[in-house]
Amino acid sequence: DGGITQSPKYLFRKEGQNVTLSCEQNLNHDAMYWYRQDPGQGLRLIYYSQIVNDFQKGDIAEGYSVSREKKESFPLTVTSAQKNPTAFYLCASSMGVVDTEAFFGQGTRLTVV
Amino acid sequence: QKEVEQDPGPLSVPEGAIVSLNCTYSNSAFQYFMWYRQYSRKGPELLMYTYSSGNKEDGRFTAQVDKSSKYISLFIRDSQPSDSATYLCAMSDGTGGYQKVTFGTGTKLQVIP
Repeated sequence: DGGITQSPKYLFRKEGQNVTLSCEQNLNHDAMYWYRQDPGQGLRLIYYSQIVNDFQKGDIAEGYSVSREKKESFPLTVTSAQKNPTAFYLCASSMGVVDTEAFFGQGTRLTVV
Repeated sequence: QKEVEQDPGPLSVPEGAIVSLNCTYSNSAFQYFMWYRQYSRKGPELLMYTYSSGNKEDGRFTAQVDKSSKYISLFIRDSQPSDSATYLCAMSDGTGGYQKVTFGTGTKLQVIP
């Protein structure tokens, strides 16, 4: 089955720790994205990547980092610099730069304890 | 003022009712309009995708775009309990790829058997 896999589904982190969220796709999509979803707010773009070894900051990149070493993988690290990391994180992919149809993973719920 | 406004609901309707979900927007450059359905603790899935003004029908779902009023709607006929979810509108001007898509906050719908 083609799709996007995010892991883990639930993640707990102590304050001051970095944590990495996994995102893998087997759709052969060039572009990948990370969004954050909070109650009462629309999806907000954290980072996106249009091609391997290249990525760009989105609207709320502070406190986050990413890498794109493989086409299939786009992990997101939530660093201790992120002031309010508790949220639902969504990874998505699309065919390419001009495509406006994206497919989403099932999300990772991160809670800081 | 947000670029995309969407009533958060919740909206409760009896099974079989016609549901109307709406978004307004301020950016007249938007020409691609999407509706996503998101079940609780899951990732969004694309329901409808419309370019420019007009109507588009797919089964029980109809998407309507009125660019002159900057208003889009999603109608669900013969609503079912399985339609209970949060519905997100999304839109873009088509020039920047998916990283330029703007999402609404979502409307929570509950269909009561």
